[in-house]
Amino acid sequence: EIVLTQSPGTLSLSPGERATLSCRASQSVSSSYLAWYQQKPGQAPRLLIYGASSRATGIPDRFSGSGSGTDFTLTISRLEPEDFAVYYCQQYGSTYTFGQGTKLEIK
Amino acid sequence: QLQLQESGPGLVKPSETLSLTCTVSGGSISSNNYFWGWIRQPPGKGLEWIGSIYYSGSTYFNPSLKSRVTISVDTSKNQFSLKVSSVTAADTAAYYCARLSGDYIWGSYVGYWGQGTLVTVSS
Repeated sequence: EIVLTQSPGTLSLSPGERATLSCRASQSVSSSYLAWYQQKPGQAPRLLIYGASSRATGIPDRFSGSGSGTDFTLTISRLEPEDFAVYYCQQYGSTYTFGQGTKLEIK
Repeated sequence: QLQLQESGPGLVKPSETLSLTCTVSGGSISSNNYFWGWIRQPPGKGLEWIGSIYYSGSTYFNPSLKSRVTISVDTSKNQFSLKVSSVTAADTAAYYCARLSGDYIWGSYVGYWGQGTLVTVSS
């Protein structure tokens, strides 16, 4: 199975700053089948990005995804207070696996 | 608007079978290009895919759980179900049902999630 490693584990930033989250795969992800999800406490995850770079319906354009092969990035251009949450990457090109998550916290 | 709602016991005894049902509203479970799946999350931990099903009944499982998992679909009720046998404390988790979008199982992302239901395994 493909192991996804997210970094950093915790990211401390202030509203208005730029956030860069990384997801590295143990082997190449087929056809860039890589998604990003946001999860807030007590809630289900929410799809942000699929196909490595396509924004899901209703997702603000401050969220962007990039990458291919084994290295992927989620960027939040200017953090809003509601963006502080845990973010997971997931590959769905073979047996689905998730990264361990990056917690984005207010500095 | 599509909604998915999990239902089932919140407490299961060790060695018994965990059973959950997901009821889909606002859309048909028999639609093409969608798969239906189960994902779980132990308290304070990350996400784990359990398995998925197409409305025709074709199933796909995480190899690590395959021997203990059954997923079925009832198109007449617009529901799909999960059974996990021989549960232990390690199966304690929030269980989410979900809709996956795509033409093939490998290549389908999770577009919609249910709110999740916590299942505790304890005597």
